[in-house]
Amino acid sequence: KAGVTQTPRYLIKTRGQQVTLSCSPISGHRSVSWYQQTPGQGLQFLFEYFSETQRNKGNFPGRFSGRQFSNSRSEMNVSTLELGDSALYLCASSPRERTEAFFGQGTRLTVV
Amino acid sequence: GDSVTQMEGPVTLSEEAFLTINCTYTATGYPSLFWYVQYPGEGLQLLLKATKADDKGSNKGFEATYRKETTSFHLEKGSVQVSDSAVYFCALSDLNSNQFYFGTGTSLTVIP
Repeated sequence: KAGVTQTPRYLIKTRGQQVTLSCSPISGHRSVSWYQQTPGQGLQFLFEYFSETQRNKGNFPGRFSGRQFSNSRSEMNVSTLELGDSALYLCASSPRERTEAFFGQGTRLTVV
Repeated sequence: GDSVTQMEGPVTLSEEAFLTINCTYTATGYPSLFWYVQYPGEGLQLLLKATKADDKGSNKGFEATYRKETTSFHLEKGSVQVSDSAVYFCALSDLNSNQFYFGTGTSLTVIP
């Protein structure tokens, strides 16, 4: 079974631009979550989608948004990029609640 | 709210030494508990899990026991190898969703 696939692996953007990151979950997994990882803040929860509905959202500004498609693939979008948005963005998929999450390799976003 | 407190690093050990990384949690009810490992430039890989009190998770020589009375889930390995050098994260999953709460991570370096 293929794992969680995130594209692209690396991105360099300029302040003020917007960016879209993509995540393909493991086949059959309907839950997709996104996390931001930075050296200073560690791993922070962004949001979770289940069957195309956002179930949970972390404490991030409205510039961070996401969606999930009917095939469970998910995208997250960050608008009006700031230097502080530079981070590793991790996507995880799960088959159901209270079970392990399977992580992709992440997208490394650098804002200059 | 839910949270995880993890032993600060970095930890440096000689090969074949005994490893303990402490982890305690705060949560309502009885969450599922996990240890994840992250190698440089990679996403998180599940190391082991426990879903109820007194469960012992184990994998690749690593073990952790879900202790409800002390709200702990300490990671142990009897004899570490150079290949175990990585960052280790303790985590819990929310009861009703797939939101994970992570500790700050403990960097382990094993020297020959």
